[in-house]
Amino acid sequence: GENVEQHPSTLSVQEGDSAVIKCTYSDSASNYFPWYKQELGKRPQLIIDIRSNVGEKKDQRIAVTLNKTAKHFSLHITETQPEDSAVYFCAAYNNNDMRFGAGTRLTVKP
Amino acid sequence: GAGVSQSPSNKVTEKGKDVELRCDPISGHTALYWYRQSLGQGLEFLIYFQGNSAPDKSGLPSDRFSAERTGGSVSTLTIQRTQQEDSAVYLCASSRAGGAETQYFGPGTRLLVL
Repeated sequence: GENVEQHPSTLSVQEGDSAVIKCTYSDSASNYFPWYKQELGKRPQLIIDIRSNVGEKKDQRIAVTLNKTAKHFSLHITETQPEDSAVYFCAAYNNNDMRFGAGTRLTVKP
Repeated sequence: GAGVSQSPSNKVTEKGKDVELRCDPISGHTALYWYRQSLGQGLEFLIYFQGNSAPDKSGLPSDRFSAERTGGSVSTLTIQRTQQEDSAVYLCASSRAGGAETQYFGPGTRLLVL
């Protein structure tokens, strides 16, 4: 089955800096890659997603890149703000099976 | 519109007791997923329902876990003879259709087995 690895597990940045979170997946048939943000005690919320026929997608300060050959995808957050502090999960989807990374705890220091 | 709802929000039970967790998906969503999230961990897939098809139970950790979805809408996750290691947040998500569709999560049920 699919295996998703996520790095780093924790990330601390200064407000205004960029943050990058990387994930790798094992199943080349995976075709959908969402990113979720989970604030403490709250439900995961989708922030951006990308499908396998696209290499990059951007939404304001958030962008995701996908390298199908290398089987890795990354989340980029620019101009970070304290409210970006949360746990971020990547996921890879194939054939009704969504596998999540272990999460990255992002702290943005004011 | 209304999002995914789950009940109860918190459940404390004694080891060995059975518990039932409920999920109300977004109206019209045909796909429903259950996940388990242990403290500080990622999400572990448990089971998937798509319409009236037989569920994908491949993620259920033991035969003490079962789930059903009546009428293609509400779902219940049942854990029999609960163990302390079952303590976790149980999250339900629904999507408009099966396949690579956005999943919308409920607030979760926080289960504590004493």
